[in-house]
Amino acid sequence: GAGVSQSPRYKVAKRGQDVALRCDPISGHVSLFWYQQALGQGPEFLTYFQNEAQLDKSGLPSDRFFAERPEGSVSTLKIQRTQQEDSAVYLCASRPTAGEQYFGPGTRLTVT
Amino acid sequence: GNSVTQMEGPVTLSEEAFLTINCTYTATGYPSLFWYVQYPGEGLQLLLKATKADDKGSNKGFEATYRKETTSFHLEKGSVQVSDSAVYFCALSGVSSNTGKLIFGQGTTLQVKP
Repeated sequence: GAGVSQSPRYKVAKRGQDVALRCDPISGHVSLFWYQQALGQGPEFLTYFQNEAQLDKSGLPSDRFFAERPEGSVSTLKIQRTQQEDSAVYLCASRPTAGEQYFGPGTRLTVT
Repeated sequence: GNSVTQMEGPVTLSEEAFLTINCTYTATGYPSLFWYVQYPGEGLQLLLKATKADDKGSNKGFEATYRKETTSFHLEKGSVQVSDSAVYFCALSGVSSNTGKLIFGQGTTLQVKP
């Protein structure tokens, strides 16, 4: 069956631009996570949704980062006024009620 | 705070060699422990997990035992193959909140040469 998909796979943004990254989770998965993975590092938690409710956003690095999941399915991570330090791979994962997280391929964001 | 530390890579082995990748953790409470693998060009995949002390997780010939006394979860495989070349991440969850968010180590790159 279809896994988690993310788009775009690659994004180049000029510093100061806004970007929007999309995640399509596995159908029926209640939980959705966003992680940020800097080059050569492990993923770091950004935010968590249960259905449409954002229950944990403790990992968002600044108020330039915003995530939503309005209908409890597709999620969008938005970064306003991008900075060079935002360059990273952004990973989305979904999970049924409990159990394993299934990861998407990620979006590689490069801010120039 | 809660954290995971892995041995630095890259680890380079010949085919059929024995593999150990060390992982230690710091956590309050009783976390669940995981190994994830990232093959070139692919997303993260769960390799194995253990949810309580002394549990052994195993999959595809890989094993790891949850050792509470040494706060470790070392990954082992008796005979590696070229196809095992990937980046391996140790992770924990179940601390600080009940969301299931994962806390990852920095990853260890494994290169297996024929």
